Amino acid sequence: DAMVIQNPRYQVTQFGKPVTLSCSQTLNHNVMYWYQQKSSQAPKLLFHYYDKDFNNEADTPDNFQSRRPNTSFCFLDIRSPGLGDAAMYLCATSSPLGGGQPQHFGDGTRLSIL
Amino acid sequence: RKEVEQDPGPFNVPEGATVAFNCTYSNSASQSFFWYRQDCRKEPKLLMSVYSSGNEDGRFTAQLNRASQYISLLIRDSKLSDSATYLCVVNDDTGFQKLVFGTGTRLLVSP
Repeated sequence: DAMVIQNPRYQVTQFGKPVTLSCSQTLNHNVMYWYQQKSSQAPKLLFHYYDKDFNNEADTPDNFQSRRPNTSFCFLDIRSPGLGDAAMYLCATSSPLGGGQPQHFGDGTRLSIL
Repeated sequence: RKEVEQDPGPFNVPEGATVAFNCTYSNSASQSFFWYRQDCRKEPKLLMSVYSSGNEDGRFTAQLNRASQYISLLIRDSKLSDSATYLCVVNDDTGFQKLVFGTGTRLLVSP
């Protein structure tokens, strides 16, 4: 009963070729997040949506964009992937109701750049 | 100074051992705390929330010391299946659930 679903699980793209990763959720959570995780590093928050409000982290490169057409879906667009963008990309959701609400992660998409 | 610091390990322990992980955080205004478990090449999964009074879930006990800005996780009677990376996670509570992750402590349980 997957609640946060990411597609594809593995994505290979060419250097500079735009790529889109997708995330869907059945939890009806208001907040959706995109993280980048490189090997042996902590997940790094790229941006999040609170409903339709987009919030970019200050150090997220312009190369990374996101769309949230509705509550259930969120997309990560990498306009011109570089070799340094190879990583696991994690989508997560949470409810904003009060503090202490954990985030629920999808399985992740592992991105490779040729 | 990192916002959330953990000993990266690895901690190598035999089955049945008790092992403890520690974590410190820098933002004294942080309000909520979690331990997540991450298996190799998989997503983080919530192991347990950490409450001021301390909490226990089976073989796992988490404790929080706000004065020292210190969080701990104790695993009793380690199983082979406990082998994973344990991420200490702090919610910065900046109006939404901004989680700050430690880099994780790797645990290897051997037969």
